[in-house]
Order: sequence, then C-alpha cells, then structure tokens
Amino acid sequence: AQSVTQPDIHITVSEGASLELRCNYSYGATPYLFWYVQSPGQGLQLLLKYFSGDTLVQGIKGFEAEFKRSQSSFNLRKPSVHWSDAAEYFCAVAHRMTTDSWGKLQFGAGTQVVVTP
Amino acid sequence: DTAVSQTPKYLVTQMGNDKSIKCEQNLGHDTMYWYKQDSKKFLKIMFSYNNKELIINETVPNRFSPKSPDKAHLNLHINSLELGDSAVYFCASSQGSGKRGIPLRSYEQYFGPGTRLTVT
Repeated sequence: AQSVTQPDIHITVSEGASLELRCNYSYGATPYLFWYVQSPGQGLQLLLKYFSGDTLVQGIKGFEAEFKRSQSSFNLRKPSVHWSDAAEYFCAVAHRMTTDSWGKLQFGAGTQVVVTP
Repeated sequence: DTAVSQTPKYLVTQMGNDKSIKCEQNLGHDTMYWYKQDSKKFLKIMFSYNNKELIINETVPNRFSPKSPDKAHLNLHINSLELGDSAVYFCASSQGSGKRGIPLRSYEQYFGPGTRLTVT
C-alpha cells in the first residue's frame, strides 16, 4: 500500500540555521512527489514538485528537495531559515490518474517547524 | 485575485444541523477536490470531481454530499452534523486530464484557505 512518512513531528531551528525535513514514501511506480507548506491559519501552498529528471528540484522561498530512489526519500532543505518559515510542512505523493484514484494526494502527517531568534 | 476561494472561513454550529461549504476556483481547472484536516493536522481526501462528475469518494459517510453545479464550483453539504465532523475542510483544484492524455501539471493541486468547522 502506498504511504508517506514524515518521521519528525516537530523541529525547532534557529533563524539563519539550515533546515532539513525528512520524507519517506512507499509507492509501486515512480512517484510524483510534492512538498506543501501551511502557515498558521492558512491554506496549503505548493513549495516544489518532482515528476522525473533532475533529482534535485528547486522551489519557492529558497527551498529545495532531493529525490533519492534508493532511499525512497524526498527530503526538503533550506540553507538559511527565516522567521517566516515557521509553519507546518507536508510531503505528499500523487496517485496516478486512473478511474478510481484520479491523482489524489496522499499526505504525510506533517512536520511543524518552529524558528527561534 | 484569489485562485481557490471557500466560504465561509469559519463555521460554528450545533450537532444535528445541516450546513454547506462553498468552493470556487477561477483557474479554469477541470478537477476539484475536498480534503479534511483533523485536529492532528492529518489531511485526507474526501471527494474529487472531474468535469462535474464524481471520481473519488473515499468512504465518507453519506451525510456528506458534494455537489458540482459547474466546473468552477464544488460545494460540500453536510447533514446531521456530529462532533467528529469538527475539522478544517480544504477545497483544491487541478487541471485534470484531456483527450490527449494527462499532462503532469494535472497533478499539481491548488488549495483554498480552508473552512474551520466547529460542531458543538
């Protein structure tokens, strides 16, 4: 069965420090992977996506993620966090568009990032 | 311009009532979704419509009835509300597929701001 695991429920990082959020997936085919961010009281915003090709993908707000097939991982990174990066981060895998799945997103449980001064 | 909008943003109601949440997208997308986010922030899909046709129904109680009057709108009606229905409900949309196949951007979903439903 397909699954997405975010091992870290909560991460605290100092402003200016680097950040890495872990995501592991289980999917039968080549996965389509996404990272979304949810700021407090807000909806989800797409940070970046991986479909194929270059395994290092760049996203918005200075984020990047690396797809590692051998480790079934798609970790999100940022070299230097800003206070505005405090939010909940979700990794997701898209199911293929078939008659009964239609590209639905399966989300991990999320990682809450707290940024300290 | 708001791409995916939801109304209301907050909804507080009593058990047993019937309520509706509305969603509209102005992106020209063909596919729309409803997700439920529980108190632990876990997101799970409920429904998906493609060109006004129900595609996904994820074992949601039949008290929940989605309605899509046109491609730009997907409303969620909930009958006989229960305490466990309290959650944040997100609407999303994506391009959907075409006759010539499924472009990868069809997998990119754009979310609304959410509706926080509190049942007392």
